[in-house]
Amino acid sequence: EDQVTQSPEALRLQEGESSSLNCSYTVSGLRGLFWYRQDPGKGPEFLFTLYSAGEEKEKERLKATLTKKESFLHITAPKPEDSATYLCAVERGGSNYKLTFGKGTLLTVNP
Amino acid sequence: KAGVTQTPRYLIKTRGQQVTLSCSPISGHRSVSWYQQTPGQGLQFLFEYFSETQRNKGNFPGRFSGRQFSNSRSEMNVSTLELGDSALYLCASSPGGLETGELFFGEGSRLTVL
Repeated sequence: EDQVTQSPEALRLQEGESSSLNCSYTVSGLRGLFWYRQDPGKGPEFLFTLYSAGEEKEKERLKATLTKKESFLHITAPKPEDSATYLCAVERGGSNYKLTFGKGTLLTVNP
Repeated sequence: KAGVTQTPRYLIKTRGQQVTLSCSPISGHRSVSWYQQTPGQGLQFLFEYFSETQRNKGNFPGRFSGRQFSNSRSEMNVSTLELGDSALYLCASSPGGLETGELFFGEGSRLTVL
């Protein structure tokens, strides 16, 4: 069974204090790994897709990286508006593909 | 460009009843997928429809079903409701399908089962 574990469950940062969120996964034949951001009362917002180990994607203060067992979401000099729950999901390859989500990391950035 | 629209936003049902939720995807998106989100289990994949065909299904009982119409709008039905079905049900549309991961989510339908 596919598994996705995100850590830490919650992270509190001061504005400007860089850090990383972790997503470790176990999946048979990874097809893709995805990061989303979810604000309270909203649906998740797509951030990145990573397909192969060594791949990196960047968007503003966020950078996602992928290895064979885990992915990191690096947040550089965060701002209060970066506060949200960050979700990681993996997709198994093959004909019976589906998305398996982690439970998320709740990030709070204090001004 | 209009986003994904889900109706109703909130609803309360009692055990044993059934419920139908609706999702209007972004214009031009042929893939619609459904998810259940609870504090305990997080976000769980229910199923995906692409051009009116169910392509994949998650590990949910047969009480959960869906369909997609020719205009890509989708409905999800849950029969014989149980207390544990209380959750936020999210719909997402995608231009290229679930495999791209580029999903555009609606704001969800919050179901409470009493």
